[in-house]
Amino acid sequence: DSGVTQTPKHLITATGQRVTLRCSPRSGDLSVYWYQQSLDQGLQFLIHYYNGEERAKGNILERFSAQQFPDLHSELNLSSLELGDSALYFCASSVATVTGELFFGEGSRLTVL
Amino acid sequence: AQSVTQLDSQVPVFEEAPVELRCNYSSSVSVYLFWYVQYPNQGLQLLLKYLSGSTLVKGINGFEAEFNKSQTSFHLRKPSVHISDTAEYFCAVTHSGNTGKLIFGQGTTLQVKP
Repeated sequence: DSGVTQTPKHLITATGQRVTLRCSPRSGDLSVYWYQQSLDQGLQFLIHYYNGEERAKGNILERFSAQQFPDLHSELNLSSLELGDSALYFCASSVATVTGELFFGEGSRLTVL
Repeated sequence: AQSVTQLDSQVPVFEEAPVELRCNYSSSVSVYLFWYVQYPNQGLQLLLKYLSGSTLVKGINGFEAEFNKSQTSFHLRKPSVHISDTAEYFCAVTHSGNTGKLIFGQGTTLQVKP
C-alpha cells in the first residue's frame, strides 16, 4: 500500500460526458502528479501541483483540468469525453524534493463508450 | 527535452535465469534515473534510483542497475528471476529543474516462464 488513494477505481461513461477523478496523497506529501497510461501513448505526464499551486503542465488537453485543495487532495476533471480518453489515470505524490520518490496510487480506469 | 527509450517491449525468460532490461535516455543536463515496476492491476512501485555517486545501484527484490553516462544508459539486471517478477518495468528520468515530474519510457514486459 503506497498510501495514495484514488477514487473511483473504475468508471464507465459515455462520450460527451464529464467525470471527476479524486486523489488523496500520502500524509505529509505536498506534491501531486497526474499521469495518463494508455496502450498507444504509454505513461504521459499531465500536470503537477505543489501545495495548491500548479507547478508544471504536460500533455494535458484543454478539456481536462485539475486542482489541489487546501487539504492537499487533488481532483482531475475530464470533460467532453471522447473514446480516446479511455485510459488508466494515475495520481502520484511526493515530498517537496525534486529527487524524491513518487508514490503512485492504484489508478482510476476510465472507459468511454 | 528529455526522453527515455526502453529497447525491448517484451522480454521472455525462464525462471532462475539472469535478465537485463535495457534503458537509454537523452538529456542535455545531469539526470536522475529511476526504475519502477507495475504488477497487474496495481500502481507503480519504485525499484531503485540513481541520484549521484556510485554508478551501480541496488534496489528491492534483488534488482540492480548501472548508470553509464558515456552510453547514456541505465540498464536493469537481476541474476536469477522468479515467477513473481513477471510484471511491467518502466525506466524514468528527471533533472533538478524539472519540478520532480518523471518522464517514462514505454515499458518492458518481463515474462518469467517456469
